Amino acid sequence: EAQVTQNPRYLITVTGKKLTVTCSQNMNHEYMSWYRQDPGLGLRQIYYSMNVEVTDKGDVPEGYKVSRKEKRNFPLILESPSPNQTSLYFCASSLDGGMYEQYFGPGTRLTVT
Amino acid sequence: GENVEQHPSTLSVQEGDSAVIKCTYSDSASNYFPWYKQELGKRPQLIIDIRSNVGEKKDQRIAVTLNKTAKHFSLHITETQPEDSAVYFCAASVGRSQGNLIFGKGTKLSVKP
Repeated sequence: EAQVTQNPRYLITVTGKKLTVTCSQNMNHEYMSWYRQDPGLGLRQIYYSMNVEVTDKGDVPEGYKVSRKEKRNFPLILESPSPNQTSLYFCASSLDGGMYEQYFGPGTRLTVT
Repeated sequence: GENVEQHPSTLSVQEGDSAVIKCTYSDSASNYFPWYKQELGKRPQLIIDIRSNVGEKKDQRIAVTLNKTAKHFSLHITETQPEDSAVYFCAASVGRSQGNLIFGKGTKLSVKP
């Protein structure tokens, strides 16, 4: 089954404790992206990647890191999480982010206390 | 930077009525315009998209129109049903070769039985 998976689905953590949210797709997509969703603010892009070893900042990259060492995986790293990073995070993938459907993962609900 | 404005932010209609959501974009090179539907607690999913060489596209009760001169596009839902209640996001591609999307802030549609 073609899909985008994210782990964990839910995470409660404390300020400053490094964490990684994994994202994996099995559709051989070139493009992958991370978004955060907050009430009234829609989907804001954090980082995106158009190919292996190519990553670019989105609208809200501060406090986040990503890497794209292989095509199928695009982990999101929070080196020192803060309460303002409490949010719902979505990973997405596509053949081409600007020309074809983006397939979203199920989301990760992160709470930073 | 490039942006997509979406209106209204909330929309309430009676079952059977039509609903229209409008978006404007700033990048004149944008050429791909998808619409995503996000039901409560679920991930966004593509419902319809249109490319710049087409002025209108229909799929059963939903249609999208594009006016490239005015840089705006709209989603039309006819004969609305309670299951159409969701948040709808418009998006526009960024440039011809940058391979990325910018999303609007979303419209919460409520269809009252």
